[in-house]
Amino acid sequence: GAGVSQSPSNKVTEKGKDVELRCDPISGHTALYWYRQSLGQGLEFLIYFQGNSAPDKSGLPSDRFSAERTGGSVSTLTIQRTQQEDSAVYLCASSLGGILQGSPLHFGNGTRLTVT
Amino acid sequence: AQRVTQPEKLLSVFKGAPVELKCNYSYSGSPELFWYVQYSRQRLQLLLRHISRESIKGFTADLNKGETSFHLKKPFAQEEDSAMYYCAADQGGKLIFGQGTELSVKP
Repeated sequence: GAGVSQSPSNKVTEKGKDVELRCDPISGHTALYWYRQSLGQGLEFLIYFQGNSAPDKSGLPSDRFSAERTGGSVSTLTIQRTQQEDSAVYLCASSLGGILQGSPLHFGNGTRLTVT
Repeated sequence: AQRVTQPEKLLSVFKGAPVELKCNYSYSGSPELFWYVQYSRQRLQLLLRHISRESIKGFTADLNKGETSFHLKKPFAQEEDSAMYYCAADQGGKLIFGQGTELSVKP
């Protein structure tokens, strides 16, 4: 079946612009996660959703970052007033029941964001 | 702060040699631990998890609570094992990842 789909695959934007990144999880997966992958930084947790609610937003780097999930499916990660340090690969993952239920994470291919 | 540490950024071995990718965690209690792998031009995917006590593609990982380690091992490395490996720990419903170790297996 279809895996986790992220769009766009690449995004180049000018400093100060807003960007929206989209994630389509695997159908039926209730948990959805956003991570950021930077060179030399590994995978940095941003936020996760269980259904439409976000129990943990502790990883969002600043108030310029926000995320929402509607209908228990698609999620968008929005970065306002982008800065050069926001350049990274943004990964989305979904899970059937979430980590606490013992379900593994299924990752998308990521969105490579470049802020010029 | 609770964290997962992978001390080696790059590990290079020859085909047929044993390989050990190190992972240490600084969590109290007994967190659920995982190894994820990303092969070239592929998605990040689960390799194995501690609770399953399984061997996947010849890899095993043993939890050592005394040393707070979860090292990944394989007795005889293959060229197709070349990839980026991430150790991860469950923290209240989210996965916290280490910085990753790039494994390069040379012919």
